[in-house]
Amino acid sequence: GIQVEQSPPDLILQEGANSTLRCNFSDSVNNLQWFHQNPWGQLINLFYIPSGTKQNGRLSATTVATERYSLLYISSSQTTDSGVYFCAVNSGGSNYKLTFGKGTLLTVNP
Amino acid sequence: GAGVSQSPRYKVTKRGQDVALRCDPISGHVSLYWYRQALGQGPEFLTYFNYEAQQDKSGLPNDRFSAERPEGSISTLTIQRTEQRDSAMYRCASSLMSRGLLSFSWETQYFGPGTRLLVL
Repeated sequence: GIQVEQSPPDLILQEGANSTLRCNFSDSVNNLQWFHQNPWGQLINLFYIPSGTKQNGRLSATTVATERYSLLYISSSQTTDSGVYFCAVNSGGSNYKLTFGKGTLLTVNP
Repeated sequence: GAGVSQSPRYKVTKRGQDVALRCDPISGHVSLYWYRQALGQGPEFLTYFNYEAQQDKSGLPNDRFSAERPEGSISTLTIQRTEQRDSAMYRCASSLMSRGLLSFSWETQYFGPGTRLLVL
């Protein structure tokens, strides 16, 4: 099946800093979603972005489907941005089944 | 209504007991999914429903796990004779499905808060 690799695995920032999280995938995709799992365990949708660029406030994402990667940008980070960020994709015949990466654990210190 | 809801939010049970986990999807979402998330990992697919039909159960780990969605809305994931290795977060998601000229496509999956299961 498709492989999803996220980097870095861990990231520690001071409040106000910017960061870039990366997601590489091994095959062409029909769907790519970014999620934020907050410290209470809720899995929150950030972007549905199989290709192109989207922005939502301080967050933006870019997927370059032909090169099989996606980037999540967080600007002016806040302590509430802490948590695990997951990239998930689906492809091929099982294009309803999301395959998740292992996530990036982000800690934003005040 | 609001988002996907799941109950119970926490479940502690003894090894050998059966448990039933409930999922209420977003109104109007025909597609429903179950995932399992171990500590420190991303969610892993268990099963998928289109309306009331279970289209894919390839991710269910063994025959102690079953799921149903009899009326095409609420779904129940049942684990029989629970074992300690079943301890995990069980997440439900739902989505719309759209039909193109040649194929179907699945829209954004929205996840519920999960049920954290602990088997003692």
